Amino acid sequence: AQKITQTQPGMFVQEKEAVTLDCTYDTSDQSYGLFWYKQPSSGEMIFLIYQGSYDEQNATEGRYSLNFQKARKSANLVISASQLGDSAMYFCAMTRAPGGSEKLVFGKGMKLTVNP
Amino acid sequence: KAGVTQTPRYLIKTRGQQVTLSCSPISGHRSVSWYQQTPGQGLQFLFEYFSETQRNKGNFPGRFSGRQFSNSRSEMNVSTLELGDSALYLCASSSSPGITGELFFGEGSRLTVL
Repeated sequence: AQKITQTQPGMFVQEKEAVTLDCTYDTSDQSYGLFWYKQPSSGEMIFLIYQGSYDEQNATEGRYSLNFQKARKSANLVISASQLGDSAMYFCAMTRAPGGSEKLVFGKGMKLTVNP
Repeated sequence: KAGVTQTPRYLIKTRGQQVTLSCSPISGHRSVSWYQQTPGQGLQFLFEYFSETQRNKGNFPGRFSGRQFSNSRSEMNVSTLELGDSALYLCASSSSPGITGELFFGEGSRLTVL
């Protein structure tokens, strides 16, 4: 079975600083995908970044990058230059990929607060 | 391009009633999946549909059911509501199963059971 662990319940960061959100995972699959989503208070899950297990390079999407360390089974999200609008819940998730179902297994999430 | 649309956004029901939630995926997307989010259990997978066929089902009782129509729109139904069914129900769409890195969610339907 797949499992995602997010141990940080909450973090505080100053605006314009970089922040790393931790995520470790457990799976017996050789092929899988890792996602990060942001959930503001409105409830919508906003896709941030995706990393496939066979991708050799770490994924980047604008201010977001994923620090993928396969041997350590970690997929930490790095947000550079935090903005006030980054304050939200952040979820790490994984799925079987490619060719598998879209069933996502989520971590419990962590709350990021960006202070001015 | 419109995103995933879920209706209604908010609803209040009483125990024993039933509820139907709707999800319209992104245009061109044929795969729809549903998730339940509660403070205690977090985000849990309910079911996934592709081309009107249920591909996967999570560990929920039979009171939870769903379907997908030929236009890819999906509905989920919860019968005989219980207090514990109060949750945010999220729908996600992708073009097809296994197309990785492409799974987008709607804003959710927040159900309160009194």
